[in-house]
Amino acid sequence: EVQLVESGGGLVQPGGSLRLSCAASGFTFSSYEMNWVRQAPGKGLEWVSYISSSGSTIYYADSVKGRFTISRDNAKNSLYLQMNSLRAEDTAVYYCASQGSSSSLWGKGTTVTVSS
Amino acid sequence: SYELTQPSSVSVSPGQTARITCSGDVLAKKYARWFQQKPGQAPVLVIYKDSERPSGIPERFSGSSSGTTVTLTISGAQVEDEADYYCYSAADNNRVFGGGTKLTVL
Repeated sequence: EVQLVESGGGLVQPGGSLRLSCAASGFTFSSYEMNWVRQAPGKGLEWVSYISSSGSTIYYADSVKGRFTISRDNAKNSLYLQMNSLRAEDTAVYYCASQGSSSSLWGKGTTVTVSS
Repeated sequence: SYELTQPSSVSVSPGQTARITCSGDVLAKKYARWFQQKPGQAPVLVIYKDSERPSGIPERFSGSSSGTTVTLTISGAQVEDEADYYCYSAADNNRVFGGGTKLTVL
């Protein structure tokens, strides 16, 4: 089955860290660009970070630059998001999403809550 | 950074045509995608490259582009099309979503 499955979310205190993972299956993960996208409760979609298929090109939204790090392991069919110095405004459902020329597969998301 | 502007809501009766616009300077030089999101679900791609429809998406969904505005059209909207719709574009080192449009079909 073609799917993306996120994991690693949870409750963390402000200033803390979390590492999200996204496991890909059923397609050639190494051929696809990937994004992390988040959605705060009751709000719209917000792009967080992009990584090229090889991992050589990486972009971040200004809101997370310097705090979040995206990476991938094509041998393990996995995408990661290391999140440091977390703030209350980072509370959201985090989705990983593949970006093909004519397709876009999304996972069901993992919830991150930043609260004391 | 770039911005994409959408109306917050659009409402139509079943069988009518729904049109959702998305405006932004980046759209004059970059393609847009449209995503549909139903409550509690992940987004689904319904249009790419301004007007192309992925396999499995009903023909009633179409897209068009003119200058700095792209439009998602749902011809003969169905009750099951009620959802939030987001435009999206990528340029240089930025990717951006529009604020989203809640489509009501009733």
